[in-house]
Amino acid sequence: GEDVEQSLFLSVREGDSSVINCTYTDSSSTYLYWYKQEPGAGLQLLTYIFSNMDMKQDQRLTVLLNKKDKHLSLRIADTQTGDSAIYFCAVRKSGQNFVFGPGTRLSVLP
Amino acid sequence: DTGVSQDPRHKITKRGQNVTFRCDPISEHNRLYWYRQTLGQGPEFLTYFQNEAQLEKSRLLSDRFSAERPKGSFSTLEIQRTEQGDSAMYLCASSPQGADTQYFGPGTRLTVL
Repeated sequence: GEDVEQSLFLSVREGDSSVINCTYTDSSSTYLYWYKQEPGAGLQLLTYIFSNMDMKQDQRLTVLLNKKDKHLSLRIADTQTGDSAIYFCAVRKSGQNFVFGPGTRLSVLP
Repeated sequence: DTGVSQDPRHKITKRGQNVTFRCDPISEHNRLYWYRQTLGQGPEFLTYFQNEAQLEKSRLLSDRFSAERPKGSFSTLEIQRTEQGDSAMYLCASSPQGADTQYFGPGTRLTVL
């Protein structure tokens, strides 16, 4: 089955860029997603990319996809304290089964 | 706000009791999903409905778990004879036909004592 891995923790200083990485195992994954989860809340969709793209930019967010290495990254420019949260990578193959990574806890230091 | 809603937000129960959770998807979203999330983990897929039909079920969904969506709108997830290992956040999500994204509710946190 699909396996999605992420580093568990990342700390950055306010104003710096954050890069959160994700690797997956199934090359047939069609859509790849980034979600944000704040304490006690559900998951908020941040952005997603189709597997035939290699980059997508949306305001402060940039998603990079390396299909050859099965590597997905999320870059947050000018990171703010409000960006502190857990970020989940998720992949979808066919059907409606989405597989999530364990999440990366981003801490933004003042 | 017309997002996905879940009820209750928190449930504490004793081992062996039955519990039922409700999810109200975004209006006109015909797809509905249930996930389970334990501490420090990402959500794990449990089951998926398209309208009232339950089309996919994870092996995680043991015979103590049952989900329904009788009229293709709200859904319920029932856990019978709860065990301590069932303690988790139960998340519901919905999406419209043909969309590639899901919208999550706030979750129901279950604690089994």
